Amino acid sequence: AQSVTQLGSHVSVSEGALVLLRCNYSSSVPPYLFWYVQYPNQGLQLLLKYTSAATLVKGINGFEAEFKKSETSFHLTKPSAHMSDAAEYFCAVSEGKAAGNKLTFGGGTRVLVKP
Amino acid sequence: DTGVSQDPRHKITKRGQNVTFRCDPISEHNRLYWYRQTLGQGPEFLTYFQNEAQLEKSRLLSDRFSAERPKGSFSTLEIQRTEQGDSAMYLCASREGGSAPQHFGDGTRLSIL
Repeated sequence: AQSVTQLGSHVSVSEGALVLLRCNYSSSVPPYLFWYVQYPNQGLQLLLKYTSAATLVKGINGFEAEFKKSETSFHLTKPSAHMSDAAEYFCAVSEGKAAGNKLTFGGGTRVLVKP
Repeated sequence: DTGVSQDPRHKITKRGQNVTFRCDPISEHNRLYWYRQTLGQGPEFLTYFQNEAQLEKSRLLSDRFSAERPKGSFSTLEIQRTEQGDSAMYLCASREGGSAPQHFGDGTRLSIL
């Protein structure tokens, strides 16, 4: 069975500072990994995905994530936070076609950006 | 690309009533998923369709829940005899085949009085 752990339910950063959101996963097969962002009362928007190509994945809005198999991690970073980055972020894992490509999500990390 | 559309956006109902939600996926997407998200939690998988076939149901989907996708296009999720614990955001997502990611709608927020 697959699972996702996001360390830190809340993260506070200053505008312009580095954003680092941690995600660790477990999977019985090579996983597909995703980061989604959710703004209040909205659905989830895809930031980026890893599907067994390059281990450093670049996404939208300046975010990127690095897949580290040895650490079973897929941490999300952004060099310089903007006020508009305040939202909740979810890491998700899929075991691909064999599991119907359904997603298992972490508990989420809420990001607060201070001016 | 008009995105995944869900209706209604909000539903308030009394305990014991039946409710039905609708999801219209992105037109060329043959796979459709339902998730439930409670306050402060990540979404949890409920069920999944490929075209009109319902291929998997989570154990979270009790007998009071039923989902359909009759013509392989839009889908409905019905909850019968609603309970307080059904209060949540119900999210629909769709995707193409292969390793394509899921695209989510804005959800239906259900509140049980």
